[in-house]
Amino acid sequence: GNSVTQMEGPVTLSEEAFLTINCTYTATGYPSLFWYVQYPGEGLQLLLKATKADDKGSNKGFEATYRKETTSFHLEKGSVQVSDSAVYFCALQGTGGFKTIFGAGTRLFVKA
Amino acid sequence: DAGVTQSPTHLIKTRGQHVTLRCSPISGHKSVSWYQQVLGQGPQFIFQYYEKEERGRGNFPDRFSARQFPNYSSELNVNALLLGDSALYLCASSLEGKGTGELFFGEGSRLTVL
Repeated sequence: GNSVTQMEGPVTLSEEAFLTINCTYTATGYPSLFWYVQYPGEGLQLLLKATKADDKGSNKGFEATYRKETTSFHLEKGSVQVSDSAVYFCALQGTGGFKTIFGAGTRLFVKA
Repeated sequence: DAGVTQSPTHLIKTRGQHVTLRCSPISGHKSVSWYQQVLGQGPQFIFQYYEKEERGRGNFPDRFSARQFPNYSSELNVNALLLGDSALYLCASSLEGKGTGELFFGEGSRLTVL
């Protein structure tokens, strides 16, 4: 079945550091891929998405590229801020599917 | 516009009891999905409803049931509660039922089973 694996946390960085959170997936066909973020005390919200191979999703300085050859969708940001501290979830939705499958989440702490 | 709203936000039950959780989707959204998020894990799919019909069910026992009303709001019911049912229950709405992309989540109902 479809599944998502993302790097374990927590990840602790200093402000302005470079961020990478790895995500790989297993799926048949051509799933859509997502990164959701959960800020402290808030609900899950979509950060970015990509719906086909080689697409790059971007938002708020974060980027992720849909790599079908490596079945990956790694999240990157060039310079993190304290306000980026949150839990990040990689997710996929199968072709024509009705459910979204989430990874276990990676907690990010950014220190001033 | 209001986002997805869920009630109650917190509740405590004892083993064997029953619980009903409620969700109102974003206006115009016809699909509602339910997820269970255990502490430290990602959300796990429970149900999806679209136009009042069940479109998908995750790997959860029959103690879990749900329904969607004509106004597209939804209820999740859990019978014979177990300690392991303690979790954050998330409701998400989307415009359509299939291959729709973005889910819009509520802040969840945190259930504690003692």
